[in-house]
Amino acid sequence: QKEVEQNSGPLSVPEGAIASLNCTYSDRVSQSFFWYRQYSGKSPELIMSIYSNGDKEDGRFTAQLNKASQYVSLLIRDSQPSDSATYLCAVSTMNTGFQKLVFGTGTRLLVSP
Amino acid sequence: GAGVSQSPSNKVTEKGKDVELRCDPISGHTALYWYRQSLGQGLEFLIYFQGNSAPDKSGLPSDRFSAERTGGSVSTLTIQRTQQEDSAVYLCASSLSGVSYEQYFGPGTRLTVT
Repeated sequence: QKEVEQNSGPLSVPEGAIASLNCTYSDRVSQSFFWYRQYSGKSPELIMSIYSNGDKEDGRFTAQLNKASQYVSLLIRDSQPSDSATYLCAVSTMNTGFQKLVFGTGTRLLVSP
Repeated sequence: GAGVSQSPSNKVTEKGKDVELRCDPISGHTALYWYRQSLGQGLEFLIYFQGNSAPDKSGLPSDRFSAERTGGSVSTLTIQRTQQEDSAVYLCASSLSGVSYEQYFGPGTRLTVT
């Protein structure tokens, strides 16, 4: 089982719709969760962090965390073509004996005008 | 304020040569990370520095890879006797302190080994 799993996509949504991106993780004691956006040819850009169960909203973005289900998601409301990118989920883990951030392979989002 | 900077932005080298990649973290960030991203692949953790020490070197792919950080700031990643499989984008990130904190990435160095 991968430490952090994401559907590779592409996830296609029309402009103005809600895009829902999902991520599951294997380390039950993970405490820190992050979403990054990566445009093609660019480096990852942090868009959301979440540390406790529930929802966290920032503008058009909402991160949702459910530690019991080991599940974190990102909702993008009123999706825009400029949101088209790969979204990386990152989770802190102690699996190697040291705490480190493990990244999923990303979900590609395509927002069509 | 200034973000994470990396140099060079691109490096083309011949197989067998050594290369040095540099990272300058955000001022005040004590933690620094190196990752590698091959074409179409996810981020692969290489090494983590807290201050000048590297408590976790578990991700270094071979003994040809080494990294150091001096003065709690700039870090260099050195790859000796480069191989074609070393071709990738090498990304550096920094955070206030430790992996619980948000990591901010530099623009990366694209390494091509011919």
